[in-house]
Amino acid sequence: GNSVTQMEGPVTLSEEAFLTINCTYTATGYPSLFWYVQYPGEGLQLLLKATKADDKGSNKGFEATYRKETTSFHLEKGSVQVSDSAVYFCALSPRGYNKLIFGAGTRLAVHP
Amino acid sequence: DAGVIQSPRHEVTEMGQEVTLRCKPISGHDYLFWYRQTMMRGLELLIYFNNNVPIDDSGMPEDRFSAKMPNASFSTLKIQPSEPRDSAVYFCASSLGAGEGADTQYFGPGTRLTVL
Repeated sequence: GNSVTQMEGPVTLSEEAFLTINCTYTATGYPSLFWYVQYPGEGLQLLLKATKADDKGSNKGFEATYRKETTSFHLEKGSVQVSDSAVYFCALSPRGYNKLIFGAGTRLAVHP
Repeated sequence: DAGVIQSPRHEVTEMGQEVTLRCKPISGHDYLFWYRQTMMRGLELLIYFNNNVPIDDSGMPEDRFSAKMPNASFSTLKIQPSEPRDSAVYFCASSLGAGEGADTQYFGPGTRLTVL
């Protein structure tokens, strides 16, 4: 079946620290992979995506690379800001389907 | 574009009452999704529609929940009768039917439901 596993939070960092949030997936075929972000009191927003192996998605300083050999899509940012504090969701969309399968979410708290 | 619109943003009701949540998808999007988010269960897909037709309602928790999409620009999620365990944030999302970016979903701001 299809599933997404991401690291448990909360992740607590100081401003300007390096961020990694791990995400691994199980899927049949070659899914599209996503990171969504949810700021307090808001809906989910697409942060970045990748549709095939070795693709790198990037946005707002965040990056993630589609690694087929390790079935991973880890989210990274070189220098986090307080404004990055949010919940981050990894998700996959099986090829040919318009359905998203989400991980449990990882809460990030960045302190000044 | 205005994005996905949901109403109301907050709803407080008493156990046993009927609750109706509303969603307007992004114009031109063929898919509409209803999700529920709670601390205990995270984000759950309840039902989704393609061209106004329900495709998969396997996530609907029980018969008290029903969803309709009478036209391409409007959907409702109804709970009757409501129970305290239905308290959650309910999100609506929409996506294109085909082509580049078809699998990207755009979420509304959510409706926070509290059942007393």
